Amino acid sequence: ELKVEQNPLFLSMQEGKNYTIYCNYSTTSDRLYWYRQDPGKSLESLFVLLSNGAVKQEGRLMASLDTKARLSTLHITAAVHDLSATYFCAGGNKLVFGAGTILRVKS
Amino acid sequence: DTAVSQTPKYLVTQMGNDKSIKCEQNLGHDTMYWYKQDSKKFLKIMFSYNNKELIINETVPNRFSPKSPDKAHLNLHINSLELGDSAVYFCASSSVRNTEAFFGQGTRLTVV
Repeated sequence: ELKVEQNPLFLSMQEGKNYTIYCNYSTTSDRLYWYRQDPGKSLESLFVLLSNGAVKQEGRLMASLDTKARLSTLHITAAVHDLSATYFCAGGNKLVFGAGTILRVKS
Repeated sequence: DTAVSQTPKYLVTQMGNDKSIKCEQNLGHDTMYWYKQDSKKFLKIMFSYNNKELIINETVPNRFSPKSPDKAHLNLHINSLELGDSAVYFCASSSVRNTEAFFGQGTRLTVV
C-alpha cells in the first residue's frame, strides 16, 4: 500500500529566502499532486505531476517529480508572507496524502 | 456555481445521533471521494465511488455509509455518532481524463 512521507512537517522561513519541501512515496505511483490548504479552508490544487522528470512552476512555487527515486519536491523561491499555509503532497489512485508541511513565512 | 459543494458547512450534534452530509459536483466528473481530516490535519480517504459504484472502502466503522444516487452526488450518512467522529469531512471529485481532484469546502462535524 502506498505511503507518502513529507518533510519537514513544519517550516518557518524568512521572507525572501528559498526552501524545498520533500515528498517521498513508498511504491510506484504514476501521479503525484501538491495541494495547499489555508487555515479553516478547503484544499486547493497546485500541481499535478504525471511523468518522470515532470517540472511545473507557478509563481514562486516549482514542483518536480522523480519516479525512480520516488521523490517529489516543492521548491519555494523568495518566499513571501502570502505563501504561509499547509502544503500537502498526495499520490496514487486513492490519493494518499502526506502529513502536510506547515509553512510560516516571517517578515 | 461552486464546483464541489457540501452541506452543511458546520454540524454540531449530540452523541448517538444520526446525521448526513451531502455533496454535489457540477464538473461532470465520474469519481467522487470522502476524506476525513482529523485535528492534526491528517487527511485519510474513507470512500470513493466511480459512476455510482463503490471502488474504495477503507477501514472505517460501518456506522459510516456512503450513498451515491447519481454521478454528481455522494452523500455520507453516519449512525450513532461518537465523540471521535469529530473532524472535518471533505468531499472531492475527479475524472479519469483530468486526474486532478477538486475538493469541497469541508463539513466541520462536532459531536458533543
